[in-house]
Amino acid sequence: GENVEQHPSTLSVQEGDSAVIKCTYSDSASNYFPWYKQELGKRPQLIIDIRSNVGEKKDQRIAVTLNKTAKHFSLHITETQPEDSAVYFCAASIGAGKSTFGDGTTLTVKP
Amino acid sequence: DTAVSQTPKYLVTQMGNDKSIKCEQNLGHDTMYWYKQDSKKFLKIMFSYNNKELIINETVPNRFSPKSPDKAHLNLHINSLELGDSAVYFCASSRTSGRNTGELFFGEGSRLTVL
Repeated sequence: GENVEQHPSTLSVQEGDSAVIKCTYSDSASNYFPWYKQELGKRPQLIIDIRSNVGEKKDQRIAVTLNKTAKHFSLHITETQPEDSAVYFCAASIGAGKSTFGDGTTLTVKP
Repeated sequence: DTAVSQTPKYLVTQMGNDKSIKCEQNLGHDTMYWYKQDSKKFLKIMFSYNNKELIINETVPNRFSPKSPDKAHLNLHINSLELGDSAVYFCASSRTSGRNTGELFFGEGSRLTVL
């Protein structure tokens, strides 16, 4: 089955700096790669996703890149703010099939 | 107008008891899931139903039994609760075709504490 590895497990940055979280996946058939943000005590919520027919997608301060050949994808957050502090999960799936999650990255943005 | 709602939000119970968590979605999605999030925050899928049919059943003890009376509801019943069952259980739903295929919509979670 699919295996998703996520790094780093914790990340601390100064407000205004950039943050990068990386994930690798094992199943070359996977074609949907969402990122979820989970604030403390809240539910995970989708922040951005990418499908295998594109290499990069951007939404304001958040971007995701995908390298299908290398089977890795990354989340980039620019100009970080304290409210970006949360746990971020990457996931991989084949279409609408089972989503396999990475172990999560706890991001702390220091004011 | 909550999209995915689950009840109860908190459960505190003794070892050996039986408990149920209910989930309902009003998004018109055809697939529903149960995820378990342990103390280390790992999110692991337990079950998935598509149009009331079980399609994913991960390695979960038989004490856990999901039931889907219709495609808008997915309940989770747990027998003979053990200490290791303490976790937050998230219900989620998604659509398998059309716009935003695959995106998971999570409920608020049900925090189960077994004493």
